[in-house]
Amino acid sequence: GAVVSQHPSRVICKSGTSVKIECRSLDFQATTMFWYRQFPKQSLMLMATSNEGSKATYEQGVEKDKFLINHASLTLSTLTVTSAHPEDSSFYICSARDYQRNTGELFFGEGSRLTVL
Amino acid sequence: QKEVEQNSGPLSVPEGAIASLNCTYSDRVSQSFFWYRQYSGKSPELIMSIYSNGDKEDGRFTAQLNKASQYVSLLIRDSQPSDSATYLCAVNTGGFKTIFGAGTRLFVKA
Repeated sequence: GAVVSQHPSRVICKSGTSVKIECRSLDFQATTMFWYRQFPKQSLMLMATSNEGSKATYEQGVEKDKFLINHASLTLSTLTVTSAHPEDSSFYICSARDYQRNTGELFFGEGSRLTVL
Repeated sequence: QKEVEQNSGPLSVPEGAIASLNCTYSDRVSQSFFWYRQYSGKSPELIMSIYSNGDKEDGRFTAQLNKASQYVSLLIRDSQPSDSATYLCAVNTGGFKTIFGAGTRLFVKA
């Protein structure tokens, strides 16, 4: 199946700093990628839809100035958590769909666990 | 009403039994249906997809879809302890978004 790679898998940072998470589609072009957040024992929450070459679409309640998304190429989207605080500690997961396959299935990255001290 | 509903569980079954996971969805124009498995601390992985009414079997897994009832299910035969995970039902209406249910936690007791 298609492969989506996410980096870093774990990151610990101090409160007030910014953290960048990368999401790459390794064997297909992804014009659209999706960023999710998942708190312990809770469901996936869609944060935003990342669109190659244009602005991301954020879900209601997600601060676009805090969670910066850049999708500059067909294989790379980045999520930057700016001025991170302990409440931002969570599991962040990206996914992408291979539209050439036209199956609708999402391929997920490995996830990035962020801990803000 | 939530767009995709699942019983949160936990569903507990003995090893070797059949585990039955259920999901209902609200949007009648939904076209694609998926079951993802998520182990604790890991990201979801696709285990089944189904697009038309009826059953689809893959090894120990069978997905069932009934569009008239807006119902999709996953059966796991000969359940193993390694099947213990959260199972996410996902629905796509043909647009960009895939809507996920909250997931059902399954425990398979050895």
